[in-house]
Amino acid sequence: GAVVSQHPSRVICKSGTSVKIECRSLDFQATTMFWYRQFPKQSLMLMATSNEGSKATYEQGVEKDKFLINHASLTLSTLTVTSAHPEDSSFYICSAREAGVDTGELFFGEGSRLTVL
Amino acid sequence: GQNIDQPTEMTATEGAIVQINCTYQTSGFNGLFWYQQHAGEAPTFLSYNVLDGLEEKGRFSSFLSRSKGYSYLLLKELQMKDSASYLCAGMDSNYQLIWGAGTKLIIKP
Repeated sequence: GAVVSQHPSRVICKSGTSVKIECRSLDFQATTMFWYRQFPKQSLMLMATSNEGSKATYEQGVEKDKFLINHASLTLSTLTVTSAHPEDSSFYICSAREAGVDTGELFFGEGSRLTVL
Repeated sequence: GQNIDQPTEMTATEGAIVQINCTYQTSGFNGLFWYQQHAGEAPTFLSYNVLDGLEEKGRFSSFLSRSKGYSYLLLKELQMKDSASYLCAGMDSNYQLIWGAGTKLIIKP
């Protein structure tokens, strides 16, 4: 099946620094990738939809200048948490939909756990 | 508005059968998904239903009734490794997933 690789799986950073998370579709082309955030004991929250070659669409309440999303190729999307603060500590997950496939099935990365000190 | 309802927690015995129900309200409908999520890990795809009826896949089956806005996930021959959260998600007309809060399934020996 289709594989999505997310890196890094865990990252610890100091407050005020920026962190980049990569999401790669390994064996398929993904025109659309989704970025989610999950707080403990809560469900996934869609942050933004990333379309290859165009600006990401952010959900209401998500700061686009703080969570920079770049989808420069059909196999790679990146999420950069800028000037991270402790409240940004969370589990970030990406998912991708295979181009040209109508089932709508999403393939998820392994997730990245961010801890901001 | 859009909404997904599923029980918060369920408990079952190893070797038994459990049914996790989900009701949904979405703007348009492009299918109903079930995902499994173990603590600290990303969700993994279990099933996708877009037509009415039962889809069987090994020990797991998923059912959909579009007229009732209802789905269930059936797990048979429960194993301890099935202890996880099960997420129900409806896909709306814009192909966005509307997620339920998840059902935590506890399996007891």
